[in-house]
Amino acid sequence: AQSVSQHNHHVILSEAASLELGCNYSYGGTVNLFWYVQYPGQHLQLLLKYFSGDPLVKGIKGFEAEFIKSKFSFNLRKPSVQWSDTAEYFCAVNARGKLIFGTGTLLAVQP
Amino acid sequence: DGGITQSPKYLFRKEGQNVTLSCEQNLNHDAMYWYRQDPGQGLRLIYYSQIVNDFQKGDIAEGYSVSREKKESFPLTVTSAQKNPTAFYLCASSDSGIVGNQPQHFGDGTRLSIL
Repeated sequence: AQSVSQHNHHVILSEAASLELGCNYSYGGTVNLFWYVQYPGQHLQLLLKYFSGDPLVKGIKGFEAEFIKSKFSFNLRKPSVQWSDTAEYFCAVNARGKLIFGTGTLLAVQP
Repeated sequence: DGGITQSPKYLFRKEGQNVTLSCEQNLNHDAMYWYRQDPGQGLRLIYYSQIVNDFQKGDIAEGYSVSREKKESFPLTVTSAQKNPTAFYLCASSDSGIVGNQPQHFGDGTRLSIL
């Protein structure tokens, strides 16, 4: 069965630190990849997506993600986090017409 | 403003009762989805609908039912057959196309607690 793994369940960083959240999926076919974010008290919203083309995609608020097909990975990065980046981050993969979510990573940024 | 409205935000019910969660969207989206979010388990798909009067089971449909009589509305009923209904329920919608390809827009969720 298709699955999505987010290895970091909780991440605590200081402001200005660099961020990388891991996401791996298990599916050998064509995939579309997403990162969603849920800020405290807000609804889930799209951060960025990859469908095809340049494997390095840029999203909102300075986030980017790189699709590495050989590693089945779609890691999320940000060079310098801010306190306002505190949120829960979900990786999602569309495989065979269904969107499969990872278990989420809770990021806390300390001022 | 366009968006998805889920109501109520919090819902309490006695064990053995059916309960219906409301989801309305004014984004003119064809597709709508229901997810269940549990701590440490991410979002799991319950049901989805790509068009009015049609819906498909997701990964955890047992104990749930849906209807899609109008484009804007996709209510979810949690029946007494659902063994562990206490959870956070999220509704989403997206443009038409291959299911899952279009970015999904989410509501604020309903937290259901069974007493």
